[in-house]
Amino acid sequence: DAMVIQNPRYQVTQFGKPVTLSCSQTLNHNVMYWYQQKSSQAPKLLFHYYDKDFNNEADTPDNFQSRRPNTSFCFLDIRSPGLGDAAMYLCATSGRDFLAGYTFGSGTRLTVV
Amino acid sequence: AQTVTQSQPEMSVQEAETVTLSCTYDTSENNYYLFWYKQPPSRQMILVIRQEAYKQQNATENRFSVNFQKAAKSFSLKISDSQLGDTAMYFCAFMNMNRDDKIIFGKGTRLHILP
Repeated sequence: DAMVIQNPRYQVTQFGKPVTLSCSQTLNHNVMYWYQQKSSQAPKLLFHYYDKDFNNEADTPDNFQSRRPNTSFCFLDIRSPGLGDAAMYLCATSGRDFLAGYTFGSGTRLTVV
Repeated sequence: AQTVTQSQPEMSVQEAETVTLSCTYDTSENNYYLFWYKQPPSRQMILVIRQEAYKQQNATENRFSVNFQKAAKSFSLKISDSQLGDTAMYFCAFMNMNRDDKIIFGKGTRLHILP
């Protein structure tokens, strides 16, 4: 089945140690998104790629970076994780029919120790 | 800027009952999409139902229906004959048709269906 896959499902990292979360898709969707979801809060968009065009949200900290080497893969890099970065990170994709909504991955829960 | 407000952080209903989840939004745009997403415990978020703002008719998907009141900027979700599998976090969401393709989510309502 076509899907969005996030690895790993759970990630524990040390305070200040760089960490990379990955997302892959078999849907051939041209848009990929990264959301940060903290408990009892709305998922917050960090950035998205429209094809190769990178779009950063104005309030996304510089500590967060992203790479999209090809259509299928997208990475979220956190350069120096702080305790406040502990959250669920959701990857989503969409095609050109925006009414279809997004297809989400299962998320990566990041713990910072 | 658009905002989405869900005023019910948590709800519980008995199995087979009908439950309505509230959502209001704020926008100055006229053309947009509205969505309800479901996020079961430890599982991925999935689309439940969607509504195009220019359509007056309320969307329906099996046991799920919406009450879309454009003038009041209200978009509630009704779940009929609720089932244990409906237990999840439900997010109301907004997307501007004309400007960009970013979905803005509300804080969610945690729904418990009790046996």
